[in-house]
Amino acid sequence: GESVGLHLPTLSVQEGDNSIINCAYSNSASDYFIWYKQESGKGPQFIIDIRSNMDKRQGQRVTVLLNKTVKHLSLQIAATQPGDSAVYFCAEISAGGYNKLIFGAGTRLAVHP
Amino acid sequence: NAGVMQNPRHLVRRRGQEARLRCSPMKGHSHVYWYRQLPEEGLKFMVYLQKENIIDESGMPKERFSAEFPKEGPSILRIQQVVRGDSAAYFCASSPFPENTEAFFGQGTRLTVV
Repeated sequence: GESVGLHLPTLSVQEGDNSIINCAYSNSASDYFIWYKQESGKGPQFIIDIRSNMDKRQGQRVTVLLNKTVKHLSLQIAATQPGDSAVYFCAEISAGGYNKLIFGAGTRLAVHP
Repeated sequence: NAGVMQNPRHLVRRRGQEARLRCSPMKGHSHVYWYRQLPEEGLKFMVYLQKENIIDESGMPKERFSAEFPKEGPSILRIQQVVRGDSAAYFCASSPFPENTEAFFGQGTRLTVV
């Protein structure tokens, strides 16, 4: 569903720890999901994607997990660094066959030295 | 290859004025998407355009907002008679194909209505 105007939840981690950011998506018919990173004053930056026929995908220091049964996505960041501090959004591609992204509410990741 | 270019980066308008936001997609990209972001919220889809065509404008407010992507030149998002509630960051994204896995975002235009 649509996100509401709430303050973003914040995840605080120590540098070097692993981070897990969670997201609930809205449409069970969505078949493509993307995680974006947004730094202050900048546009969203692609991190990693996953299709609905997969339940896990790994990139460099990042892993995305997809649980279609409960419509849940997670982003795992290994060995979190100060440069990872940003707001993270999950997005789903709605039915329609084009890149119409439905964004989740976002989570702010704060990495402390 | 330059990324998606949006200008201006910051735009201040008085209530009742018009705002024109420009987006030049990446070279070779013919699919453009506009999104709006309010503070502390996710991006909300507004409109999807191909060259000279509006494909999906389901996220556009019915009045005062319009978008175009002409054969030559950038895509334009136009807001007439702006109100304070239009204050937001407006992002443009582009992709070379409609179903390409990655749409690239610009840095956004931050509109402030005073």
